[in-house]
Amino acid sequence: EAQVTQNPRYLITVTGKKLTVTCSQNMNHEYMSWYRQDPGLGLRQIYYSMNVEVTDKGDVPEGYKVSRKEKRNFPLILESPSPNQTSLYFCASSFAGINSPLHFGNGTRLTVT
Amino acid sequence: QKEVEQDPGPLSVPEGAIVSLNCTYSNSAFQYFMWYRQYSRKGPELLMYTYSSGNKEDGRFTAQVDKSSKYISLFIRDSQPSDSATYLCAMSGVTGGGNKLTFGTGTQLKVEL
Repeated sequence: EAQVTQNPRYLITVTGKKLTVTCSQNMNHEYMSWYRQDPGLGLRQIYYSMNVEVTDKGDVPEGYKVSRKEKRNFPLILESPSPNQTSLYFCASSFAGINSPLHFGNGTRLTVT
Repeated sequence: QKEVEQDPGPLSVPEGAIVSLNCTYSNSAFQYFMWYRQYSRKGPELLMYTYSSGNKEDGRFTAQVDKSSKYISLFIRDSQPSDSATYLCAMSGVTGGGNKLTFGTGTQLKVEL
């Protein structure tokens, strides 16, 4: 089954404790991206990657890191999480960039206390 | 003013009703228009995808794009309780800042028995 898999689904952590949210897709997609979804603000792009070893900032990249060492994986790293990063995070992938339909994972709900 | 405006609802309709969901936008560079459906605790899934102006029909769903008015719509005929979800519009195109995808904040729909 074609899918984007995120882990974990739920995560509660404390300020400053480094964490990684994993994302993997099995569709051989070139493009991968991370979004955060907040009430009233909708989906906002954090980082994206057009291909292996190619990453770029989205609209809200501060406080986040990503890497794309393999085509299928695109982890999101929070080096020093803060409470304002409490949010619902989605990984997405597409065949050919943002003009192609995006396939989303089921989300990671992060709470930073 | 947001680049993409979408009424958040909630919109409550009886089963069998025709539902109209709408988005307006300000950026005339948008060329690709999408509707995503998001169930609670799930990631968005693509519902409709259109390029430029015109109509597209898929079963009970019809997407309309009016680029002259910068207005897009999604119609759901014979609505069912299973259509209860949040509907996100999204649009993309090459702008001054490069190729950009922007989401609306979503309209929450509830179809009641």
